Amino acid sequence: AQTVTQSQPEMSVQEAETVTLSCTYDTSESDYYLFWYKQPPSRQMILVIRQEAYKQQNATENRFSVNFQKAAKSFSLKISDSQLGDAAMYFCALGEGGGADGLTFGKGTHLIIQP
Amino acid sequence: GAGVSQTPSNKVTEKGKYVELRCDPISGHTALYWYRQSLGQGPEFLIYFQGTGAADDSGLPNDRFFAVRPEGSVSTLKIQRTERGDSAVYLCASSPIDRSTGELFFGEGSRLTVL
Repeated sequence: AQTVTQSQPEMSVQEAETVTLSCTYDTSESDYYLFWYKQPPSRQMILVIRQEAYKQQNATENRFSVNFQKAAKSFSLKISDSQLGDAAMYFCALGEGGGADGLTFGKGTHLIIQP
Repeated sequence: GAGVSQTPSNKVTEKGKYVELRCDPISGHTALYWYRQSLGQGPEFLIYFQGTGAADDSGLPNDRFFAVRPEGSVSTLKIQRTERGDSAVYLCASSPIDRSTGELFFGEGSRLTVL
């Protein structure tokens, strides 16, 4: 069975600084995908960034980038130039291309932005 | 509307009652997912529809939970004989593709409180 672990229940960062959120995962599949979703108080999950496991290059979306370490099964999210609007719960998720349906989510990290 | 719509936004019921939660996915999205998010946890997969059929219902916790999608669009999650442990946010998501490889588009969820 696949698992996703987020070991940081809460992180705090000063506005304009950089913060890294950690995620480790486990899967027996060779074809899988990793995601970071943001959940603001409105409850709607919003995709931040997506990484295909077969790609060696780390995904980047504007101020958001990942550090994908396949051998270590690690998938961390780096947020540069943090903004007040980045404050939210962040969930790491795993999807298996040939395996189970649905995504497996971690427990989340609450990100606080200090003005 | 353009996004995934879920109703009701909040539902309070008494133990033992029957509840229906509705999800209206993005038009044209063939894949539809239900997740349950308990307090302080990440979303947990319940059921996945591809078109009208439930392709994977392995996440439903017991036979009190049932979901339908009769015309391949709107879906209803039905909970019989509700228990206090059913209290959670129920999230619906849709996708234009049928595997856990792409982005899921989430609604804002239905918060169920069982007294």
